[in-house]
Amino acid sequence: EIVLTQSPGTLPLSPGERATLSCRASQSISSHVLAWYQQKPGQAPRLLIYGASSRATGIPDRFSGSGSGTDFTLAISRLEPEDFAVYYCQQHNGSPPMYTFGQGTKLEIK
Amino acid sequence: DVQLVQFGGGLIPPGDSLTLSCVASGFTFSGDWMHWVRQAPGKGLVWVSAISTDGSVTSYADSVRGRFTISRDNAKNTLFMQMNSLRDEDTAVYYCVRDLPTRGNFQHWGQGTLVIVSS
Repeated sequence: EIVLTQSPGTLPLSPGERATLSCRASQSISSHVLAWYQQKPGQAPRLLIYGASSRATGIPDRFSGSGSGTDFTLAISRLEPEDFAVYYCQQHNGSPPMYTFGQGTKLEIK
Repeated sequence: DVQLVQFGGGLIPPGDSLTLSCVASGFTFSGDWMHWVRQAPGKGLVWVSAISTDGSVTSYADSVRGRFTISRDNAKNTLFMQMNSLRDEDTAVYYCVRDLPTRGNFQHWGQGTLVIVSS
């Protein structure tokens, strides 16, 4: 099973600052299958980034994804108040496919 | 608009069974893989199960394999999860999720339904 490890666990920042979140895979994965999600309290998660770097429909361009192999990054260029939430990375592999999430990074207001 | 409307959930004694359902609209249900993902209170997201477009391929997390069964009725645009031998650790919000084709990511989520396993 591929394990995804996110860091940091909590990231305190202020609105207007830049956020950089990390997702590391226990073995190399295709960037084609790496996604990022945002979850706010009491809400279902929302797909932000798929294919490591493609923004999902309606996602603002301040969100960007990058990376390959075992190291992936979600960046938020200028934090808006509504961006403070928990972020998860996710991938799948195998046949039949198995899917795993990272443990999440909580982006909180400093 | 894509909608995934979930039904079921509630307070269930350990060892009992429960079926969750999810009615889809706004897209061609029979064309997409579907999933169940759960989240225990205060915890992260955990994928539970997946089913192929025609139901011929299913996969399960180790924690539920042999106890949970995913199925679908494409004529009724409905996804199901039959949960047997429920345990305390199955307590979670369960989400019905639409797959993002060719990516294996989760593009649309239901509203979630809370399952509490407790005596």
